[in-house]
Amino acid sequence: GAVVSQHPSWVICKSGTSVKIECRSLDFQATTMFWYRQFPKQSLMLMATSNEGSKATYEQGVEKDKFLINHASLTLSTLTVTSAHPEDSSFYICSAQPGQLNTEAFFGQGTRLTVV
Amino acid sequence: GENVEQHPSTLSVQEGDSAVIKCTYSDSASNYFPWYKQELGKRPQLIIDIRSNVGEKKDQRIAVTLNKTAKHFSLHITETQPEDSAVYFCAAPSKGAGTALIFGKGTTLSVSS
Repeated sequence: GAVVSQHPSWVICKSGTSVKIECRSLDFQATTMFWYRQFPKQSLMLMATSNEGSKATYEQGVEKDKFLINHASLTLSTLTVTSAHPEDSSFYICSAQPGQLNTEAFFGQGTRLTVV
Repeated sequence: GENVEQHPSTLSVQEGDSAVIKCTYSDSASNYFPWYKQELGKRPQLIIDIRSNVGEKKDQRIAVTLNKTAKHFSLHITETQPEDSAVYFCAAPSKGAGTALIFGKGTTLSVSS
């Protein structure tokens, strides 16, 4: 199957600093990638849709100025958590789907963010 | 947009028993319904999916059934094994083909030997 790679797998940062998470599709091009957040013992909640060459689309309640998304190439999307606070601590995970029709969504390994 | 409801939230079975998890969706236009298995701290892994042009799909001990009229789909695991213990999520496309998946709240399955 297709491979989506996410980096880093875990990060600890201080309050007020910014953290960048990368999501790469290794063997296919993805004009669209998706970012999810998952709190402990909860489901994956869609944060935003990353669109190659254009602005990301954010879900209701997600602050676009806090969670900056850049999709500069067909294989890379980045999520930057700006001015991180302890409540931003979570598991962030990206996904991408080869092709335009409904096909299997492939997920990155996820990034465990801890803000101290 | 799509709304997906999943139940039960927890399910405990004895090894060898069957397990059934059910989901309902709201958008009658949705046509793709995957099931994912997630182990603690790891990424979700697709275990089976079904498209709206079929009513049932089976892969060894795992099967999924779809009722388009009632807008619900179910995961069936037979002859459960301890390694089936994990969190299972159902999902449906948020706004149609190529869009993000919207996930149910998940079911924690525990299989005791």
